[in-house]
Amino acid sequence: DAGVTQSPTHLIKTRGQQVTLRCSPKSGHDTVSWYQQALGQGPQFIFQYYEEEERQRGNFPDRFSGHQFPNYSSELNVNALLLGDSALYLCASSLRTGGSYGYTFGSGTRLTVV
Amino acid sequence: TQLLEQSPQFLSIQEGENLTVYCNSSSVFSSLQWYRQEPGEGPVLLVTVVTGGEVKKLKRLTFQFGDARKDSSLHITAAQPGDTGLYLCAGAETSYDKVIFGPGTSLSVIP
Repeated sequence: DAGVTQSPTHLIKTRGQQVTLRCSPKSGHDTVSWYQQALGQGPQFIFQYYEEEERQRGNFPDRFSGHQFPNYSSELNVNALLLGDSALYLCASSLRTGGSYGYTFGSGTRLTVV
Repeated sequence: TQLLEQSPQFLSIQEGENLTVYCNSSSVFSSLQWYRQEPGEGPVLLVTVVTGGEVKKLKRLTFQFGDARKDSSLHITAAQPGDTGLYLCAGAETSYDKVIFGPGTSLSVIP
């Protein structure tokens, strides 16, 4: 049973560029949530997708956008990258919205902005 | 605004010792979760507690949800080097709300 798959695992981008991160949820899960985790900190909620719509959003600027496909996979797009966007980006999947009974996380994408 | 606080921030103990980490908030949560995260990996769910006063045990780990559902604790008995990692608490105010995370407690168990 495949868990959550994220790609790429590592990425280096230049300030001002755009990046797309990808996530395939655990089999049977239909909801994808994205988190940003800076070094030494807890994950910060970016947004959540369910039924191909953004259902909830955290305190992140519009430079952060996403998409969910009919097969439940998801993409996170970040435009006009800033040095402060360097972080581990985590994708979490769950069944239906909320995830209050627990998420399954991927291993993350380590983004470095130079 | 929901906020979760965790203490201590860092903990370094000898193998075989016991420890407790705490998770506190001024908000009431419908559920609280505990995760462990190792370097370079995503968090792994350890337990979810949903009822005020609930106690759950997972081998040497004991989790408790406060009666008012605003706080939780994680107690580890006879810690082992394999327990080393970042322990994160997370909660949602309602079943359909986003899950927010605390800053974590970094545990190091020295052989």
